[in-house]
Amino acid sequence: SQQGEEDPQALSIQEGENATMNCSYKTSINNLQWYRQNSGRGLVHLILIRSNEREKHSGRLRVTLDTSKKSSSLLITASRAADTASYFCATAPREAGTALIFGKGTTLSVSS
Amino acid sequence: NAGVMQNPRHLVRRRGQEARLRCSPMKGHSHVYWYRQLPEEGLKFMVYLQKENIIDESGMPKERFSAEFPKEGPSILRIQQVVRGDSAAYFCASSPGRDQPQHFGDGTRLSIL
Repeated sequence: SQQGEEDPQALSIQEGENATMNCSYKTSINNLQWYRQNSGRGLVHLILIRSNEREKHSGRLRVTLDTSKKSSSLLITASRAADTASYFCATAPREAGTALIFGKGTTLSVSS
Repeated sequence: NAGVMQNPRHLVRRRGQEARLRCSPMKGHSHVYWYRQLPEEGLKFMVYLQKENIIDESGMPKERFSAEFPKEGPSILRIQQVVRGDSAAYFCASSPGRDQPQHFGDGTRLSIL
C-alpha cells in the first residue's frame, strides 16, 4: 500500500480561496516533500520539511508536519487559476535511504 | 540552465521490442532516479544511480528492466521485450546529493501496441 496518502483526492475551489491538502504516512521518515504536477508535465518540487521541523513557509505555501500523527498538510493561500494541478506528498523513509515514496495525489481545480 | 532533460517525450513500441529512455540530469547533479507513473497514480520509485553505480534498485522489476548511468553521457533506462503492461510515463529526477530535493524531467510516455 502507499506510504503517503493524500486527502482529499480532488478539490475544487474559487480563486482567492485557500486550499488545504493532507498527507498521511506509515513509517518513520527523514523528510517529507510536496510536489506539483501540471497535466502532461514532470513534477515540480515545492517544499521539503525535515522530521525535526514542524512548519515551513514558502510564498503562499505553508506546510506543517506532525510526526506523532504521521501526517502533513499543505496550505495554499489566496489560490489562483494557475495553481490548478495535482499535488503529491513524498516521504523519504528512514529505512529506504533516499528512495522517495509518493502518494496518489490531490487534484486541485481553481476556477476564476 | 537546462533542467532535467528526458528523451524521447513519446515512444511507441510493439510488443517484444526494446525501449530505451534517456535522461540527462541537471548540471552539477550526480544522483539520478527513475520513477514510473500509471494513469491516475502517484510515482513509483524504480532505481537510484550515481555515476557508474546502481545505489538502490529495489523498485525495478527483476526481469527485462535495466538502468545505467555511465561516466559520460545520459542515464539510460532499458526495457527489453516490452509488454502492454509497460505502458506508462517514466520520469527521471536528479539531485546534487542524498536527501536533497529532486528535480524532475517532463517524462517519457511509453505506449506499447
